[in-house]
Amino acid sequence: SQTIHQWPATLVQPVGSPLSLECTVEGTSNPNLYWYRQAAGRGLQLLFYSVGIGQISSEVPQNLSASRPQDRQFILSSKKLLLSDSGFYLCAWSPLNGATNEKLFFGSGTQLSVL
Amino acid sequence: ELKVEQNPLFLSMQEGKNYTIYCNYSTTSDRLYWYRQDPGKSLESLFVLLSNGAVKQEGRLMASLDTKARLSTLHITAAVHDLSATYFCAGDIIQGAQKLVFGQGTRLTINP
Repeated sequence: SQTIHQWPATLVQPVGSPLSLECTVEGTSNPNLYWYRQAAGRGLQLLFYSVGIGQISSEVPQNLSASRPQDRQFILSSKKLLLSDSGFYLCAWSPLNGATNEKLFFGSGTQLSVL
Repeated sequence: ELKVEQNPLFLSMQEGKNYTIYCNYSTTSDRLYWYRQDPGKSLESLFVLLSNGAVKQEGRLMASLDTKARLSTLHITAAVHDLSATYFCAGDIIQGAQKLVFGQGTRLTINP
């Protein structure tokens, strides 16, 4: 069966420091990978998605970047964090050519606090 | 551009009562999803609705889809405290990848 791992679970970082969040998927090949962010008390916003190694699409302009160095690895980064980067970050995956009833499967999330 | 709106955003109800959460979406969506989120936790998939008139039920929760009205509902029957959570609906757009557009979420509190 497929599993998705995301770490760390919580992170407190000072403004201006770098960020690296990692997500890996097991038990599947060629997944679509996604990074979502949830601000406190709000819905989820799609930040990035990837359909293959090295292929990154950005949904909103921001202080963050994403990379996919391996098929099942997705990394969210920042060179200098802003206060507004605080939030709950969720990695997700879906089958590349899934059946019509496929859904996104979410990781456990990273709560990022920028102080 | 697909937009998804839920109402109500906050709902406080008594155990044993019935209630409905509404989800409207602005343009054609291939599928409609319902997720549950407990505080500080990830999202748990509840339902995927594929076509007009689709109805799915799991325990005290039932979801339906009316594509002509661009409306999905999540109905809660005889609520119990364990159903307290935030519920999200989402539509999706297939553009290179399956991209979900989420509603704002409905925070449901069920009181004994």
